[in-house]
Amino acid sequence: ETGVTQTPRHLVMGMTNKKSLKCEQHLGHNAMYWYKQSAKKPLELMFVYSLEERVENNSVPSRFSPECPNSSHLFLHLHTLQPEDSALYLCASSQEALGEKLFFGSGTQLSVL
Amino acid sequence: KQEVTQIPAALSVPEGENLVLNCSFTDSAIYNLQWFRQDPGKGLTSLLLIQSSQREQTSGRLNASLDKSSGRSTLYIAASQPGDSATYLCAVKPNTGTASKLTFGTGTRLQVTL
Repeated sequence: ETGVTQTPRHLVMGMTNKKSLKCEQHLGHNAMYWYKQSAKKPLELMFVYSLEERVENNSVPSRFSPECPNSSHLFLHLHTLQPEDSALYLCASSQEALGEKLFFGSGTQLSVL
Repeated sequence: KQEVTQIPAALSVPEGENLVLNCSFTDSAIYNLQWFRQDPGKGLTSLLLIQSSQREQTSGRLNASLDKSSGRSTLYIAASQPGDSATYLCAVKPNTGTASKLTFGTGTRLQVTL
């Protein structure tokens, strides 16, 4: 176990549904991230929360909405998704001040029908 | 814009062979470089992290080298085993910015056969 837990592991949703992905880290880190991994494409950074600062990638559609209530929890709220949003969504954390390693969760495999 | 390339995209070797995976990046202004392993449908596991001031890092049968000026890193796996079968990704962190905005390569899918 890496100390980063993601739920659910698998999610199938329709385009009109609203769902949320959850991530929890037990490592005492101060930065958390959402990545998207699509087939045959590099991992894409979606959002990062670091030292209370939220850094948003402007290319992420508004149908993805992150929430970071505290340093240990991170959510990704999903609504009116498109089939092309089907991918593996990975959460990660790090101790940013030290530029240390990134620790990843096992991911949520999302399928949008 | 930083670009990270990994060649080959896929590699199959018999058990026991030593092998080298390659990673190249276009912007040498990096803070560090990480090698990750990813099993199918799973998250990434960090294998080695090399700071920009370092030349190499070793962990067990793995050795990663970094030549920042030429924009290259290699991951050397000694005496490969079937359990090494996975996708290996490299990622670079830039010098600027407070968050880990890593740029990832697309990975090399390794299969070690019996």
